[in-house]
Amino acid sequence: GAVVSQHPSRVICKSGTSVKIECRSLDFQATTMFWYRQFPKQSLMLMATSNEGSKATYEQGVEKDKFLINHASLTLSTLTVTSAHPEDSSFYICSASPGDRPSSGGYTFGSGTRLTVV
Amino acid sequence: DAKTTQPNSMESNEEEPVHLPCNHSTISGTDYIHWYRQLPSQGPEYVIHGLTSNVNNRMASLAIAEDRKSSTLILHRATLRDAAVYYCIQFEGGNTPLVFGKGTRLSVIA
Repeated sequence: GAVVSQHPSRVICKSGTSVKIECRSLDFQATTMFWYRQFPKQSLMLMATSNEGSKATYEQGVEKDKFLINHASLTLSTLTVTSAHPEDSSFYICSASPGDRPSSGGYTFGSGTRLTVV
Repeated sequence: DAKTTQPNSMESNEEEPVHLPCNHSTISGTDYIHWYRQLPSQGPEYVIHGLTSNVNNRMASLAIAEDRKSSTLILHRATLRDAAVYYCIQFEGGNTPLVFGKGTRLSVIA
């Protein structure tokens, strides 16, 4: 089945530094990837939609200059949290869709990245 | 915003069947009903999806009301490993994103 690998699974960084999170589709080509953020005891909130070869589409209220998304290949999307602050501490999750499987089957999610900014 | 409503939490005894309800009263004729679950500290996992007919797979069954305004996810024999948050999602299809509601936190008692 479709596998999405997300790395790192945990990261602790100092306030003001940047952190890059990778999301890879291992056995399929993902034309579209989605990035979510999840705070403790809350649901997943969609941050942005990442399309290969084009600019990401950000949800309202998500700062595109702070959360840089790059989807340079059909198997890799990255999310960089720039100038991280403690309020950016959260669980970040990516998911991917093969373009040829629109409504059938489900999306595959990465295992998530726990970011802690100190 | 999420278009589905689910109970906040439910409890089940181990090895008993569990019926998780979901209301999606604004569903259109082409929207699918998807179910995902999320175990602690993990990404969501696809469970099942359907359009109009009831569906079965190795994980669960999905019963869809005739008017499609509600559905029920059925776990036939709950195990401790089924303890998770279950999300019911009204999905447009294509490459649109999944929009998550609050889900139902299922606890399984040994």
